[in-house]
Amino acid sequence: DTGVSQNPRHKITKRGQNVTFRCDPISEHNRLYWYRQTLGQGPEFLTYFQNEAQLEKSRLLSDRFSAERPKGSFSTLEIQRTEQGDSAMYLCASSFLRGTNEKLFFGSGTQLSVL
Amino acid sequence: DQQVKQNSPSLSVQEGRISILNCDYTNSMFDYFLWYKKYPAEGPTFLISISSIKDKNEDGRFTVFLNKSAKHLSLHIVPSQPGDSAVYFCAASGQGAQKLVFGQGTRLTINP
Repeated sequence: DTGVSQNPRHKITKRGQNVTFRCDPISEHNRLYWYRQTLGQGPEFLTYFQNEAQLEKSRLLSDRFSAERPKGSFSTLEIQRTEQGDSAMYLCASSFLRGTNEKLFFGSGTQLSVL
Repeated sequence: DQQVKQNSPSLSVQEGRISILNCDYTNSMFDYFLWYKKYPAEGPTFLISISSIKDKNEDGRFTVFLNKSAKHLSLHIVPSQPGDSAVYFCAASGQGAQKLVFGQGTRLTINP
């Protein structure tokens, strides 16, 4: 079990640039989540996939954000035309749903700084 | 609207004593509750969970209590150890709600 892997760990970019993050979930997990965490707050839900289908998106996810999970394995999160308010830790989590109680396994996150 | 609240941003406890972290929720549809622990520069790691059909769940030094009528849960750590120093997040989910909703976190510091 290699855990959830996220790349890069850190990303510094200038306002207006596009960035893309990658998440590799635990291999047998069918669900993949993206969360965002800012200082002093808990993780906030952005979106999730079951296999390759994106099933829910938060209102936090503006049209500058897009997420994909093309083959039901790894996922990418792209932010276009970054703004300073996008600076946050972006967390990926995966799970294998059994019944109704679901436990998420998180990666170490990608820390985004928009200058 | 903050559906899961952790009203204490920080807590300091002496090594060997009991640490009690509290969490309140407002959504009566929540039926599964979890505690996560987070060290700096790492993602949250699962600690312990409880289903709404129970009022207590224990795992080693960690016990979670659930009071459904008060919409309140707590995490007890006894005895507290220096390695327990971290930020603790309470999270909840409910039937039909496919995502975990997190509280703001409580920073626990264990003093030697």
